[in-house]
Amino acid sequence: GESVGLHLPTLSVQEGDNSIINCAYSNSASDYFIWYKQESGKGPQFIIDIRSNMDKRQGQRVTVLLNKTVKHLSLQIAATQPGDSAVYFCAEIHTGRRALTFGSGTRLQVQP
Amino acid sequence: GAGVSQSPSNKVTEKGKDVELRCDPISGHTALYWYRQSLGQGLEFLIYFQGNSAPDKSGLPSDRFSAERTGGSVSTLTIQRTQQEDSAVYLCASSPRPSRDYEQYFGPGTRLTVT
Repeated sequence: GESVGLHLPTLSVQEGDNSIINCAYSNSASDYFIWYKQESGKGPQFIIDIRSNMDKRQGQRVTVLLNKTVKHLSLQIAATQPGDSAVYFCAEIHTGRRALTFGSGTRLQVQP
Repeated sequence: GAGVSQSPSNKVTEKGKDVELRCDPISGHTALYWYRQSLGQGLEFLIYFQGNSAPDKSGLPSDRFSAERTGGSVSTLTIQRTQQEDSAVYLCASSPRPSRDYEQYFGPGTRLTVT
């Protein structure tokens, strides 16, 4: 069945470094891919989305890259800060079902 | 403005009891979603309401689960005869309009513990 998964469960980086969080997906019919950030005890927070006909989108300190050839999605965070420490989920949505399908998450730990 | 709110924040119940979880979406948002998050896991879709359309119940795990949305706003998720495997964080989300349903705003969740 369709799935959205992650390569690494935990990523530890030094403050100020760039972070890259990866995600693999299997559903070629996805319209949008989205990254969410979830801090402890809180609900997921929308970070950035990318439409399936794009390969790159930039936000504030974040960039999402989409490689449809290998069905791979990544989130790049520039100059990682302690406040970026959280679990990051990739998700997808497609025309057939308008609810998000989430991956299992990557925990980002930022070392001071 | 106010975000999505959920109540209670925590609920402990005995196996076999019924529980009701409440969600107040962002005012004006047409879509409302319920998800479940088990410990250390991703989010699992349960049910989706969009305006006055029939809800998409395809994610409900059993007929013990039901939800309603009154007046196009507040929603209640009901779990009957709770089981220990129902223990999870139940998250509600809303989105502003169908064309942006990938942009969902989540509440803080209700942590349900079934003993």
